[in-house]
Amino acid sequence: DQQVKQNSPSLSVQEGRISILNCDYTNSMFDYFLWYKKYPAEGPTFLISISSIKDKNEDGRFTVFLNKSAKHLSLHIVPSQPGDSAVYFCAASAEDKIIFGKGTRLHILP
Amino acid sequence: ETGVTQSPTHLIKTRGQQVTLRCSSQSGHNTVSWYQQALGQGPQFIFQYYREEENGRGNFPPRFSGLQFPNYSSELNVNALELDDSALYLCASSLEADDYLGANVLTFGAGSRLTVL
Repeated sequence: DQQVKQNSPSLSVQEGRISILNCDYTNSMFDYFLWYKKYPAEGPTFLISISSIKDKNEDGRFTVFLNKSAKHLSLHIVPSQPGDSAVYFCAASAEDKIIFGKGTRLHILP
Repeated sequence: ETGVTQSPTHLIKTRGQQVTLRCSSQSGHNTVSWYQQALGQGPQFIFQYYREEENGRGNFPPRFSGLQFPNYSSELNVNALELDDSALYLCASSLEADDYLGANVLTFGAGSRLTVL
Protein backbone atom coordinates (compact mmCIF):
# COMPACT_ATOMS: atom_id res chain seq x y z
CA ASP A 1 0.00 0.00 0.00
CA GLN A 2 1.93 2.97 -1.30
CA GLN A 3 0.60 6.08 0.40
CA VAL A 4 3.03 8.48 -1.29
CA LYS A 5 3.63 8.02 -5.01
CA GLN A 6 6.17 9.57 -7.32
CA ASN A 7 5.26 8.20 -10.72
CA SER A 8 8.21 9.60 -12.67
CA PRO A 9 11.43 7.69 -11.90
CA SER A 10 13.50 10.28 -13.75
CA LEU A 11 13.32 13.72 -15.32
CA SER A 12 15.76 15.63 -17.53
CA VAL A 13 15.66 19.43 -17.69
CA GLN A 14 17.82 21.99 -19.46
CA GLU A 15 19.89 24.22 -17.20
CA GLY A 16 18.08 27.51 -16.59
CA ARG A 17 14.62 26.06 -17.26
CA ILE A 18 11.97 25.08 -14.73
CA SER A 19 12.01 21.61 -13.13
CA ILE A 20 8.64 20.29 -11.93
CA LEU A 21 8.56 17.19 -9.77
CA ASN A 22 5.21 15.64 -8.93
CA CYS A 23 3.87 13.61 -6.05
CA ASP A 24 0.48 12.05 -5.24
CA TYR A 25 -0.76 10.77 -1.90
CA THR A 26 -3.69 8.74 -0.68
CA ASN A 27 -3.99 9.45 3.06
CA SER A 28 -6.04 12.56 3.83
CA MET A 29 -4.69 12.53 7.43
CA PHE A 30 -1.22 13.74 6.39
CA ASP A 31 -0.57 17.10 8.07
CA TYR A 32 2.76 18.07 6.52
CA PHE A 33 4.45 17.37 3.22
CA LEU A 34 8.19 17.57 2.73
CA TRP A 35 10.72 17.33 -0.06
CA TYR A 36 14.15 15.85 0.46
CA LYS A 37 17.10 15.81 -1.91
CA LYS A 38 19.69 13.04 -2.02
CA TYR A 39 23.14 12.99 -3.58
CA PRO A 40 24.99 9.67 -4.06
CA ALA A 41 26.70 8.36 -0.90
CA GLU A 42 24.94 10.94 1.26
CA GLY A 43 21.77 10.83 3.34
CA PRO A 44 18.68 12.74 2.19
CA THR A 45 18.69 16.43 3.11
CA PHE A 46 15.60 18.48 3.86
CA LEU A 47 14.65 20.96 1.15
CA ILE A 48 11.23 22.48 1.82
CA SER A 49 7.93 21.65 3.53
CA ILE A 50 4.31 22.70 3.40
CA SER A 51 1.51 22.43 5.91
CA SER A 52 -1.72 20.78 4.80
CA ILE A 53 -3.54 24.05 5.50
CA LYS A 54 -1.50 25.95 2.93
CA ASP A 55 -1.44 25.69 -0.83
CA LYS A 56 1.97 27.20 -1.56
CA ASN A 57 5.32 27.66 0.12
CA GLU A 58 8.30 29.34 -1.46
CA ASP A 59 11.98 29.36 -0.49
CA GLY A 60 14.33 30.97 -2.98
CA ARG A 61 14.36 28.93 -6.19
CA PHE A 62 12.12 26.24 -4.67
CA THR A 63 8.33 26.39 -4.49
CA VAL A 64 6.00 23.64 -3.35
CA PHE A 65 2.35 23.64 -4.37
CA LEU A 66 -0.32 21.57 -2.63
CA ASN A 67 -3.69 20.64 -4.15
CA LYS A 68 -5.60 18.90 -1.36
CA SER A 69 -8.67 18.09 -3.41
CA ALA A 70 -6.51 16.23 -5.93
CA LYS A 71 -4.17 14.86 -3.22
CA HIS A 72 -1.28 16.15 -5.29
CA LEU A 73 1.79 18.22 -4.63
CA SER A 74 4.57 19.47 -6.83
CA LEU A 75 8.02 20.97 -6.39
CA HIS A 76 9.10 23.69 -8.79
CA ILE A 77 12.77 24.60 -9.16
CA VAL A 78 13.49 27.71 -11.18
CA PRO A 79 15.95 28.32 -12.63
CA SER A 80 17.41 24.81 -12.59
CA GLN A 81 21.13 24.60 -11.89
CA PRO A 82 23.67 21.77 -12.37
CA GLY A 83 23.88 21.24 -8.60
CA ASP A 84 20.17 20.38 -8.58
CA SER A 85 20.95 17.03 -10.22
CA ALA A 86 19.98 14.55 -7.50
CA VAL A 87 17.21 12.20 -6.39
CA TYR A 88 14.21 14.04 -4.94
CA PHE A 89 11.95 12.34 -2.42
CA CYS A 90 8.45 13.48 -1.62
CA ALA A 91 7.42 12.69 1.97
CA ALA A 92 4.29 13.07 4.08
CA SER A 93 3.91 13.24 7.83
CA ALA A 94 1.17 11.82 10.07
CA GLU A 95 1.19 10.55 13.67
CA ASP A 96 4.96 10.86 14.13
CA LYS A 97 5.63 8.83 10.99
CA ILE A 98 7.12 10.21 7.81
CA ILE A 99 6.28 8.20 4.69
CA PHE A 100 8.51 8.61 1.62
CA GLY A 101 7.86 8.12 -2.07
CA LYS A 102 10.24 6.14 -4.27
CA GLY A 103 11.99 9.26 -5.55
CA THR A 104 12.54 11.01 -8.88
CA ARG A 105 16.04 11.34 -10.32
CA LEU A 106 16.50 14.83 -11.74
CA HIS A 107 19.17 15.39 -14.41
CA ILE A 108 20.03 18.97 -15.24
CA LEU A 109 21.43 19.12 -18.77
CA PRO A 110 24.04 21.73 -19.78
CA GLU B 1 27.22 21.42 15.30
CA THR B 2 27.85 17.78 14.40
CA GLY B 3 25.51 15.98 12.05
CA VAL B 4 24.20 12.42 12.21
CA THR B 5 26.92 9.79 12.03
CA GLN B 6 26.37 6.10 11.35
CA SER B 7 28.61 3.06 11.64
CA PRO B 8 29.64 0.89 10.00
CA THR B 9 29.31 2.35 6.51
CA HIS B 10 29.33 -1.05 4.80
CA LEU B 11 29.05 -4.60 6.05
CA ILE B 12 28.43 -8.08 4.72
CA LYS B 13 26.60 -10.78 6.66
CA THR B 14 25.23 -14.21 5.87
CA ARG B 15 21.66 -15.36 6.15
CA GLY B 16 20.63 -16.18 9.73
CA GLN B 17 23.22 -13.94 11.35
CA GLN B 18 22.51 -10.92 13.51
CA VAL B 19 23.63 -7.33 12.92
CA THR B 20 23.84 -4.16 15.01
CA LEU B 21 23.99 -0.74 13.37
CA ARG B 22 24.86 2.40 15.31
CA CYS B 23 23.86 6.02 15.06
CA SER B 24 24.88 9.23 16.81
CA SER B 25 22.20 11.90 16.65
CA GLN B 26 22.78 15.51 15.71
CA SER B 27 23.63 17.63 18.71
CA GLY B 28 20.47 18.95 20.39
CA HIS B 29 18.16 16.35 18.83
CA ASN B 30 16.15 14.04 21.10
CA THR B 31 14.39 11.74 18.65
CA VAL B 32 15.81 9.11 16.34
CA SER B 33 14.17 7.27 13.45
CA TRP B 34 15.43 4.36 11.39
CA TYR B 35 14.63 3.77 7.75
CA GLN B 36 15.37 0.95 5.31
CA GLN B 37 16.04 1.93 1.70
CA ALA B 38 16.10 -0.97 -0.74
CA LEU B 39 17.52 -0.47 -4.22
CA GLY B 40 15.27 1.73 -6.33
CA GLN B 41 12.89 2.43 -3.44
CA GLY B 42 12.31 5.30 -1.10
CA PRO B 43 13.20 5.08 2.60
CA GLN B 44 10.75 2.82 4.48
CA PHE B 45 10.00 3.76 8.09
CA ILE B 46 11.13 1.07 10.57
CA PHE B 47 10.61 2.76 13.94
CA GLN B 48 11.16 5.90 15.97
CA TYR B 49 12.53 6.38 19.48
CA TYR B 50 11.79 9.27 21.80
CA ARG B 51 12.93 9.46 25.43
CA GLU B 52 14.44 6.00 25.07
CA GLU B 53 11.12 4.38 24.15
CA GLU B 54 9.74 3.23 20.83
CA ASN B 55 6.90 5.61 19.90
CA GLY B 56 6.09 4.58 16.36
CA ARG B 57 6.72 1.54 14.19
CA GLY B 58 6.34 0.73 10.53
CA ASN B 59 5.48 -2.59 8.92
CA PHE B 60 8.59 -4.49 10.02
CA PRO B 61 8.72 -7.80 11.94
CA PRO B 62 9.84 -8.03 15.59
CA ARG B 63 13.29 -9.27 14.57
CA PHE B 64 13.96 -5.59 13.86
CA SER B 65 14.53 -3.96 17.22
CA GLY B 66 16.19 -0.85 18.51
CA LEU B 67 17.53 1.08 21.45
CA GLN B 68 17.96 4.74 22.24
CA PHE B 69 20.49 5.69 24.90
CA PRO B 70 20.42 8.62 27.38
CA ASN B 71 22.80 10.57 25.12
CA TYR B 72 20.25 10.09 22.29
CA SER B 73 22.49 7.78 20.30
CA SER B 74 20.77 4.69 18.95
CA GLU B 75 21.17 1.13 17.72
CA LEU B 76 19.24 -0.91 15.20
CA ASN B 77 19.41 -4.66 15.68
CA VAL B 78 18.26 -7.18 13.11
CA ASN B 79 18.12 -10.87 14.02
CA ALA B 80 17.88 -13.90 11.74
CA LEU B 81 18.98 -11.95 8.68
CA GLU B 82 17.24 -12.69 5.39
CA LEU B 83 18.43 -11.96 1.86
CA ASP B 84 15.73 -9.26 1.51
CA ASP B 85 17.26 -7.36 4.43
CA SER B 86 20.02 -6.24 2.07
CA ALA B 87 19.54 -2.47 1.90
CA LEU B 88 20.82 0.94 2.96
CA TYR B 89 19.80 1.62 6.57
CA LEU B 90 19.34 5.29 7.32
CA CYS B 91 19.25 6.86 10.73
CA ALA B 92 17.63 10.27 11.15
CA SER B 93 17.40 12.52 14.17
CA SER B 94 15.01 15.34 14.95
CA LEU B 95 13.90 17.57 17.79
CA GLU B 96 10.52 16.73 19.27
CA ALA B 97 8.85 19.27 21.50
CA ASP B 98 5.42 18.75 23.02
CA ASP B 99 4.31 22.24 22.08
CA TYR B 100 5.71 22.28 18.56
CA LEU B 101 3.18 21.80 15.82
CA GLY B 102 5.47 22.22 12.84
CA ALA B 103 6.82 19.72 10.35
CA ASN B 104 9.03 16.99 11.78
CA VAL B 105 12.21 17.77 9.84
CA LEU B 106 14.62 14.86 9.88
CA THR B 107 18.40 15.11 9.63
CA PHE B 108 19.76 11.96 8.03
CA GLY B 109 23.07 10.20 8.28
CA ALA B 110 24.80 8.79 5.20
CA GLY B 111 23.59 5.29 6.03
CA SER B 112 24.94 1.80 6.61
CA ARG B 113 24.85 -0.45 3.57
CA LEU B 114 24.09 -4.04 4.57
CA THR B 115 24.57 -6.94 2.18
CA VAL B 116 23.18 -10.33 3.21
CA LEU B 117 24.58 -13.34 1.33
